[in-house]
Amino acid sequence: AQTVTQSQPEMSVQEAETVTLSCTYDTSESDYYLFWYKQPPSRQMILVIRQEAYKQQNATENRFSVNFQKAAKSFSLKISDSQLGDAAMYFCASGNRDDKIIFGKGTRLHILP
Amino acid sequence: GAVVSQHPSRVICKSGTSVKIECRSLDFQATTMFWYRQFPKKSLMLMATSNEGSKATYEQGVEKDKFLINHASLTLSTLTVTSAHPEDSSFYICSARFPSGAPGGTQYFGPGTRLTVL
Repeated sequence: AQTVTQSQPEMSVQEAETVTLSCTYDTSESDYYLFWYKQPPSRQMILVIRQEAYKQQNATENRFSVNFQKAAKSFSLKISDSQLGDAAMYFCASGNRDDKIIFGKGTRLHILP
Repeated sequence: GAVVSQHPSRVICKSGTSVKIECRSLDFQATTMFWYRQFPKKSLMLMATSNEGSKATYEQGVEKDKFLINHASLTLSTLTVTSAHPEDSSFYICSARFPSGAPGGTQYFGPGTRLTVL
C-alpha cells in the first residue's frame, strides 16, 4: 500500500522569497512516480512537477524544483521567487504502474505581499 | 495539450433523483480515466478507475450501484450518481492519463463538478 504524508497543513512565505514544502511517502513498489499538484481557489488541479523514481536527477520546472531523497522516501518541493499566483493548496502524490495516484492531505500556501 | 473537461461545473438536484457528470479528454485519447471525490478543505479520494470498453474498478467502500461509471469511448467517461441524497453532496473531479497506454502516465484533471443535493 502507498501512503503520502504532508506534515505542514499551512505555510506562509513573503513574496519573492523561497519556500520548501515537505512530503514523505511509503511504497512497496520498485517502479513509482511522484508528483506535486497545485489546487488554486478555482479548484482546478494543476500538475506542478513530476519525478520518476528511477531517475536520480531532481526534476525542475522553472521556479519549481524538488529534492528527491529516495532512501529517505522524501520528496520536497521548493518554490523560488514566490509570486502571489502561487497561493494555493499543494498536494504531494505518489503513483505506480497501475496509475492509481495517492494524495497527501495537502499544504495550504499563503503568499504575503 | 492534455486538456480534460467536465460538465456540468455545478448541479443542484432534489433528493432521490439521478445526476450524470461527463468527463472528456479534449485533445487526446484516454483508455483510463479516474473519478475522485473531494470534501471541503480535504484531499482527493479516489472513487474508481474507469476503463474504456470494460467495467470500472471501484475502491473499497465505494458503492458501485450508487456511483455508475460508463467509459463508452476513448474520450468520454460518465459518472452517474443514482438516487442522490444530501450526503452525496460533494466536489467530484475526474482525471485522464496521458499518454494513454503508457505506465506511469501523468494524470490531467478536469475542473470539477460541484454537486448539491437538496
